[in-house]
Amino acid sequence: DTEVTQTPKHLVMGMTNKKSLKCEQHMGHRAMYWYKQKAKKPPELMFVYSYEKLSINESVPSRFSPECPNSSLLNLHLHALQPEDSALYLCASSPRQGAGVGSHSPLHFGNGTRLTVT
Amino acid sequence: TQLLEQSPQFLSIQEGENLTVYCNSSSVFSSLQWYRQEPGEGPVLLVTVVTGGEVKKLKRLTFQFGDARKDSSLHITAAQTGDTGLYLCAGARDSSYKLIFGSGTRLLVRP
Repeated sequence: DTEVTQTPKHLVMGMTNKKSLKCEQHMGHRAMYWYKQKAKKPPELMFVYSYEKLSINESVPSRFSPECPNSSLLNLHLHALQPEDSALYLCASSPRQGAGVGSHSPLHFGNGTRLTVT
Repeated sequence: TQLLEQSPQFLSIQEGENLTVYCNSSSVFSSLQWYRQEPGEGPVLLVTVVTGGEVKKLKRLTFQFGDARKDSSLHITAAQTGDTGLYLCAGARDSSYKLIFGSGTRLLVRP
């Protein structure tokens, strides 16, 4: 079982809907990430939160809105999505953001939310 | 342009065979991680290599970081069907807080 929990596992939404993806970790990690993964492709970074503050936004369209209510929770609010936004959305956490001495903090991924936009 | 290129993109082998996956770049990385992602799940960290020339073994998996820290390889001995999945290398550069994922290698081990 993964220590990063994502809900829901599957989500189908219309282009006019508003929905939210949720992510939770209780490992005491202070960095949390949202990635988007298309079929058979590597994950693409969307957002990074460090100590509950947004530190990286990879030029993601405003129809995706992240939120970090506390150090254990990470949300991704979705509004007016396009069919091409259909993908697996992965949440990850790490003890800290970026590189410590010698190596990047390892990422712990959830199992993702499979999103389909119709 | 993919900063970290993996080869091959796809590999289908019989159980018991050996294989090697490569992760190459023209850039120097301070560290490199390898993840495996099984269908329907998120990636899981296998190993982190930090020192140029470093070799790490994880049961039947052997990971190597190139001397110049620009490339890495993953060798699997006597592959099993449970090794099936997407293998991702991911590199960290001193100048960036971002982890850069490679293009991925899909491995299918047939019984």
